[in-house]
Amino acid sequence: NAGVTQTPKFRVLKTGQSMTLLCAQDMNHEYMYWYRQDPGMGLRLIHYSVGEGTTAKGEVPDGYNVSRLKKQNFLLGLESAAPSQTSVYFCASSYWASGGAPGLGEQFFGPGTRLTVL
Amino acid sequence: TQLLEQSPQFLSIQEGENLTVYCNSSSVFSSLQWYRQEPGEGPVLLVTVVTGGEVKKLKRLTFQFGDARKDSSLHITAAQPGDTGLYLCAGAEYGNKLVFGAGTILRVKS
Repeated sequence: NAGVTQTPKFRVLKTGQSMTLLCAQDMNHEYMYWYRQDPGMGLRLIHYSVGEGTTAKGEVPDGYNVSRLKKQNFLLGLESAAPSQTSVYFCASSYWASGGAPGLGEQFFGPGTRLTVL
Repeated sequence: TQLLEQSPQFLSIQEGENLTVYCNSSSVFSSLQWYRQEPGEGPVLLVTVVTGGEVKKLKRLTFQFGDARKDSSLHITAAQPGDTGLYLCAGAEYGNKLVFGAGTILRVKS
C-alpha cells in the first residue's frame, strides 16, 4: 500500500496564478483533510470531506476550493494564488474507529507539498 | 473552534535528560492524539488517549490525559538524539475533525 500520496512535491507560483494539488489514498478511508503548516502555527485545517461528494470548510478556507469526486482522491485548488498562501500543504485521511472506544481514528498524512507564491 | 496550547515551543536538552511537553485547553475533547513529525515528512501518530485520567506508555514515552479531558502531557525519559523532532498534540472535537497545537520542537544533543 502506498498510503497517502501528494502531487506535486514542490511548486513555485506567481501571484494570481492557479493550481491544483492532488491527494490520493488507498486505504478506503471515508475522511480526508487538507491542512497548511506554517512556522509556529502547527497544522491548520483548510477543508475536509467526510465522504465521496461531500466537502466542508475548516479553520482557514478562504482562497481555497476542494472537490471529492472519488472516494480515494481529494483535490485542493487555488484559483488566484497570493503570497500569504506560501506554506507547506498536507493531506491526510482517516476513519471512524468502532469498538470499545469509538471515535476519530488515526490520521495518515502524505509527505506534503511545499508551495511558494512570489 | 477549540484551541490547544502547547508548551514549551522549543526544547533543547542533552542526551539522557528527561522532559515533559504539555498540551492544554479550556475545552473538552473526546480524545487526544500525539504525533511526531520529522523534517520534510508528514506527522506520524504516536498514541491516542481516550479516557480521562488515562496513562499510556510507549517504551520511554509516557502519555497522560487529564481527568477532565482538557489537557494532556508527554513525558520522555532518558531522551536520545533519535527523539529529535516536532511533537504535536491534536484534540478530537466531537465529530470528525482534529484541532492541532502549535507544536514543540525537541532537539536532543549527544
